[in-house]
Order: sequence, then C-alpha cells, then structure tokens
Amino acid sequence: DTGVSQNPRHKITKRGQNVTFRCDPISEHNRLYWYRQTLGQGPEFLTYFQNEAQLEKSRLLSDRFSAERPKGSFSTLEIQRTEQGDSAMYLCASSQGLVEQFFGPGTRLTVL
Amino acid sequence: AQTVTQSQPEMSVQEAETVTLSCTYDTSESNYYLFWYKQPPSRQMILVIRQEAYKQQNATENRFSVNFQKAAKSFSLKISDSQLGDTAMYFCAFILGAGSYQLTFGKGTKLSVIP
Repeated sequence: DTGVSQNPRHKITKRGQNVTFRCDPISEHNRLYWYRQTLGQGPEFLTYFQNEAQLEKSRLLSDRFSAERPKGSFSTLEIQRTEQGDSAMYLCASSQGLVEQFFGPGTRLTVL
Repeated sequence: AQTVTQSQPEMSVQEAETVTLSCTYDTSESNYYLFWYKQPPSRQMILVIRQEAYKQQNATENRFSVNFQKAAKSFSLKISDSQLGDTAMYFCAFILGAGSYQLTFGKGTKLSVIP
C-alpha cells in the first residue's frame, strides 16, 4: 500500500499524559499536513510542512502541541498534558502539488 | 476568511436513484479550487471530484458530477445510480490557489443509500 499511513489508529490515554502520533506520507510527496476532526465537524487545519520546514501553524495548535518532520519524511505530532478537549480524530495528509491532498486513515484519540 | 457551508446534515437515497448534496462557500478571491471528499464509516477520506474555479465546465467523474455556480458561490454534488458503497460522510472543501495549502471544510453531509 503506497498511501498515507498513520499510527496508531486508536489511542486511549488518561488526562495529563503525553501522546505521540506518527504519519508516513506518500513517498514522493514533499508537503505534509495535520488536521483535527471532532465529532460532527469537518477537519480543521493544524499545521503544514514543506519538506522538513514547518511553514504554518493554526491558532488551534496550542503550546501543548508540537509537530516535527525530521529529514522531510515521516512526521510526528505530540500532545503534552492531554485534556479531554483533545479527544478527536487526527488526520494527516500529503501532497506533491499545492492543490490535491491525500489523507491517511487518522488516529482517533480518546482522553479519559 | 473563507467559509464552507453544507446545509444538509443527513440525507438518504434509494439504491439506483439520484441524489444531490448542496454546498455554498464564501470568498472574495477569484482563484480557488473546490472539492468533494468522501469519508466512509471507519475508513479514510478520499477525493471524489475537484473543480477549478477558472473552468466554466462542470467536472464529472463517472457517476459523480458537480453543478458549479461561481456567481452564486454554489457547488453541489450529484450522485447518479446510487450504490450501497456510496454510504458515507461527504465533505465539501475549498482551497485558494496561488500557493495556498489550507483546506477549509464544511461540516459534512451524512448520506445513507437504502437498498
């Protein structure tokens, strides 16, 4: 399968714990995006990488959130001191051009 | 700021029938792209169809077609010969051209195809 992959698919954690998600984009794609999707809503943009450079961060991305893309390949999204409001589906997407984004299956986070 | 509105939270259609999902958007820009994405239950989001704003001709992909009304800022999706596999959430999305990267999504329409 050469699509976007995300791990883990599901994560249950207790409030206050740190969690890290991984995204592996389509291999030739140099652009990578993170979105968050809460129940009953469409995805909302969080952050964008071009190669290893993080070029944009949404105001939704609080100080507890950090994303990296070392060497311009896979990306990680870390949430520190999780809160119940962080419960959501975290989607990763990648693209070669600037228009069509290909999405991964998402990581569903539940904070108890 | 750009906004996307989907006014139909849920819809249903009989198998083999035709259904139209509505989407309106708001932008002051002239160069942009519109998309319909499909998100089946517990599966990943896939692109159904895309439309460039500079193209007057409506996009078509097999059983899926759009009605793009630029002046009215309307972008509806028509699904012909509905199949059970079309059951999914459908999201209308918008992105500016010229170097933009942020997709703006509507809240989605849950489509159920009834056998």
